[in-house]
Amino acid sequence: NAGVTQTPKFRILKIGQSMTLQCTQDMNHNYMYWYRQDPGMGLKLIYYSVGAGITDKGEVPNGYNVSRSTTEDFPLRLELAAPSQTSVYFCASSDLLAGGYTQYFGPGTRLTVL
Amino acid sequence: DQQVKQNSPSLSVQEGRISILNCDYTNSMFDYFLWYKKYPAEGPTFLISISSIKDKNEDGRFTVFLNKSAKHLSLHIVPSQPGDSAVYFCAASSAGANNLFFGTGTRLTVIP
Repeated sequence: NAGVTQTPKFRILKIGQSMTLQCTQDMNHNYMYWYRQDPGMGLKLIYYSVGAGITDKGEVPNGYNVSRSTTEDFPLRLELAAPSQTSVYFCASSDLLAGGYTQYFGPGTRLTVL
Repeated sequence: DQQVKQNSPSLSVQEGRISILNCDYTNSMFDYFLWYKKYPAEGPTFLISISSIKDKNEDGRFTVFLNKSAKHLSLHIVPSQPGDSAVYFCAASSAGANNLFFGTGTRLTVIP
C-alpha cells in the first residue's frame, strides 16, 4: 500500500513551457486534491475532485487544469508556466464520502519556473 | 482571507518539556480540526484531530484542546523529543465542505 505517490519530485521549467504533475493513490479514496505551498505560507487548494469525471476549482485555480478519468489518478496540468507558479505542489486524497475528513498527502513536487 | 491562523511562525523548546502550538480560526461553521506534521522534503502527515463535539482529544504524547467560544485550538506535546522538530499545520473543515483550510504553520524546534 504505497498511499499517495507523486512524480516527478523536482522539475525546472522555462517560462511558457507546459508540464503535467502526476498523482496516484491506491487507497480507493473518492476525494483527491491539489495544493500548492509557497515559502512561509500554508497550503492553498488549487483543484479538487469528488470522484472520477468530477472536478472543481479551489482557491487558486488560475493557470492550472485537472482531469480525473479514474479513481486512482488525478494529474495537474500547467499549460503556460509562469514564475509565479514556482512552488511545492502536494496531492492528497481522502475518503470524505465515508466521513473521513483526514487527507493523506503525497511527498510533493518542487517546481521552479525560470 | 485567512480563516485559520497560526500566529507563531516558530517555537523552540527544550527536550522533555511541553510544546504548545496555537491555532485560531474565524469561521464558526468549522466543526472538525486537524493537526498535520511536516518534515522537510516530505508531504504533511496527519497527527491528531478533534471534532467540535469534544473539547479534548489525546493520543499518546499529543493532546489537542478546542475552545469553541474563543475559536481557538492548541496542540500539546509532552514530553517533547528532538524527533518532534518539524513544521506543524493546523487545518479545519465543516460538514458539507469539500476541503480543508490550513494555517501557515509553526516550526517547532526541540533542543536536545
